[in-house]
Amino acid sequence: NAGVMQNPRHLVRRRGQEARLRCSPMKGHSHVYWYRQLPEEGLKFMVYLQKENIIDESGMPKERFSAEFPKEGPSILRIQQVVRGDSAAYFCASSLRVSGANVLTFGAGSRLTVL
Amino acid sequence: ELKVEQNPLFLSMQEGKNYTIYCNYSTTSDRLYWYRQDPGKSLESLFVLLSNGAVKQEGRLMASLDTKARLSTLHITAAVHDLSATYFCAVPYRYNYQLIWGAGTKLIIKP
Repeated sequence: NAGVMQNPRHLVRRRGQEARLRCSPMKGHSHVYWYRQLPEEGLKFMVYLQKENIIDESGMPKERFSAEFPKEGPSILRIQQVVRGDSAAYFCASSLRVSGANVLTFGAGSRLTVL
Repeated sequence: ELKVEQNPLFLSMQEGKNYTIYCNYSTTSDRLYWYRQDPGKSLESLFVLLSNGAVKQEGRLMASLDTKARLSTLHITAAVHDLSATYFCAVPYRYNYQLIWGAGTKLIIKP
């Protein structure tokens, strides 16, 4: 079981470019979450998705950010017209269910640097 | 709004010593999670505490939860260098998946 796979691991973009981050959940997991971690801080919830549905995007900025989890393929977090403040580590997690203990399994993260 | 505070934020200690990391949260919750993060790596689940008075132990780490005091502790016994990492606590806010995280405790254990 390969766990939660994220790519790219490191991404450098210039201001105004687009960043696309991909996440394949653990096999059998249908719940996907994206979190953002700024340096020396804890994680901040961004969005929760199931296949083809955004369940909760309350933590995601309204502009420039979008997320999807299509029927086929990985979940994608897209950041348009990146700014320096978008530089962070973006973690994807997945879970088997949301009830009960709901332990999240995290990927290794995608570290975005905006120049 | 739920706030989660950890202290200390930084801890440097010698091998063989004991220490405790504290996690306070501001609103009612009946569960709490502890995760470990190594530099540049992902977060690894350590403990899930699901009720008041819950205590879990794994090796030299023991976590407990007091929901009345809104406090969890992570106790390290006879620390070893391999435990050097950043430790986070997280509490669900409104929904199980919407975790609010502490800022993390960076633990350095010197041989």
